Amino acid sequence: GNSVTQMEGPVTLSEEAFLTINCTYTATGYPSLFWYVQYPGEGLQLLLKATKADDKGSNKGFEATYRKETTSFHLEKGSVQVSDSAVYFCALSPFSSNTGKLIFGQGTTLQVKP
Amino acid sequence: DAEITQSPRHKITETGRQVTLACHQTWNHNNMFWYRQDLGHGLRLIHYSYGVQDTNKGEVSDGYSVSRSNTEDLPLTLESAASSQTSVYFCASSEQGAHQNEAFFGQGTRLTVV
Repeated sequence: GNSVTQMEGPVTLSEEAFLTINCTYTATGYPSLFWYVQYPGEGLQLLLKATKADDKGSNKGFEATYRKETTSFHLEKGSVQVSDSAVYFCALSPFSSNTGKLIFGQGTTLQVKP
Repeated sequence: DAEITQSPRHKITETGRQVTLACHQTWNHNNMFWYRQDLGHGLRLIHYSYGVQDTNKGEVSDGYSVSRSNTEDLPLTLESAASSQTSVYFCASSEQGAHQNEAFFGQGTRLTVV
């Protein structure tokens, strides 16, 4: 079946540090891949997405590349800020489903200290 | 601006009571979803709907029901609340027709069953 695995958190970094949050997936065919972010007290919002192999999604300094060969979609940012403190979810939408169902990873909490 | 709103934001109820959580979207999306968020599990799909009068069970549907009488609303009902249903509940909507479409989330309802 389809599944998503994220690195366990929490991840604590100092401001301006480099961030990597690992995400690997299991799926048949060619799913779409997403990173959603949840700021404290809020719902999830889309951070970036990639819909086919070797696509790079990017937004707000964050990047992730769809790697079919390693079934991965790792999230990176070169210099984190305190305002990036949030919970980050990796998710996939199966290719066979055109109806938007999402399968989420466990979520990774990021805390950035000044 | 289009939005998706949930009510109430917080709810405490007693074991065995029936509870209904509201979700209202003004995106005019056909797809609507209910997820629950629990530590260590990420978000898991409870029920979903692809349009008026259409409802479907998700991964963790036992003890929950939904109805879709119009495009804008998908209320979630807990028939007889149990302590295992203490969780944060998120409603989401998305456009129909493509697995890469972004989902828009409400701010969540924190439900405590005592």
